[in-house]
Amino acid sequence: EIVLTQSPTTMAASPGEKVTITCRASSSVSYMHWFQQKSGTSPKPWIYDTSKLASGVPDRFSGSGSGTSYSLTISSMEAEDAATYYCLQRSSYPHTFGAGTKLELK
Amino acid sequence: QVQLKETGPGLVQPTQTLSITCTVSGFSLTSYYMQWVRQTPGKGLEWMGFIRSGGSTEYNSEFKSRLSISRDTSKNQVFLKMNSLKTEDTGVYYCARDNYSSPFAYWGQGTLVTVSS
Repeated sequence: EIVLTQSPTTMAASPGEKVTITCRASSSVSYMHWFQQKSGTSPKPWIYDTSKLASGVPDRFSGSGSGTSYSLTISSMEAEDAATYYCLQRSSYPHTFGAGTKLELK
Repeated sequence: QVQLKETGPGLVQPTQTLSITCTVSGFSLTSYYMQWVRQTPGKGLEWMGFIRSGGSTEYNSEFKSRLSISRDTSKNQVFLKMNSLKTEDTGVYYCARDNYSSPFAYWGQGTLVTVSS
C-alpha cells in the first residue's frame, strides 16, 4: 500500500500569503489528485492529474510534482480557501488518501 | 444534472451487516465507474472500492471479504454491503462518480453510520 504523508498537518495563513501544502508518497505515483473539504460537507475535487484545476477552482491554486513528491500551492490566500485539503493517489491498489492538511485563516 | 444520494440505516449493531444504497440521476451507471469512500474518526478518508461501468468490481483488501458492491442499472442504484461491523466502522459513507479524466468528480452528501449496541 502506498502511504501518503501530508505536511503540514495544520497551518494558518494571512490573506494574501502564499501557501504550499506537500504530499509525499511512500512509492512513486504517476499523478496526484487533491480534494477540498469544508466542515460538514463532502470533499470536492480540486486538482486532478497533478496540475489540472477542477471546474470552478480559482486560478490562484496550482499543483505540481512528480514521483514521490507533490504539492498544492495557493498564490495568495483568501478567506474562502480555509478548509482541509487531501491528496489521493490511484496509481496502485488500494487507492489511498493523505491524512489531510487543515488550512486556517490567520 | 448529476446527482448522487446515499441512504443508510443510521445505527447498526456490532457484528451486523451494513447496507447502503446510492441513488443516482443525470447519467447512466453503464457509462461511469462508481466509487465508495468512507471517512472515519480513526482513519480519515478511506477508499473502499468501485464498480466499473461494465459491472466488475475492485475492493480495498483492507476490508477483505467483508465488502460487496453491486448495482441495479434499471433503478439507477449502487449498493454497498459490509458485514461483521465493528465500532471502528463508525463514520460517514460516500458514493462518488468518476469522470473520464478525473477521479471522484461528483460526490453524494454522505450517510452517517454509527456502529453501537
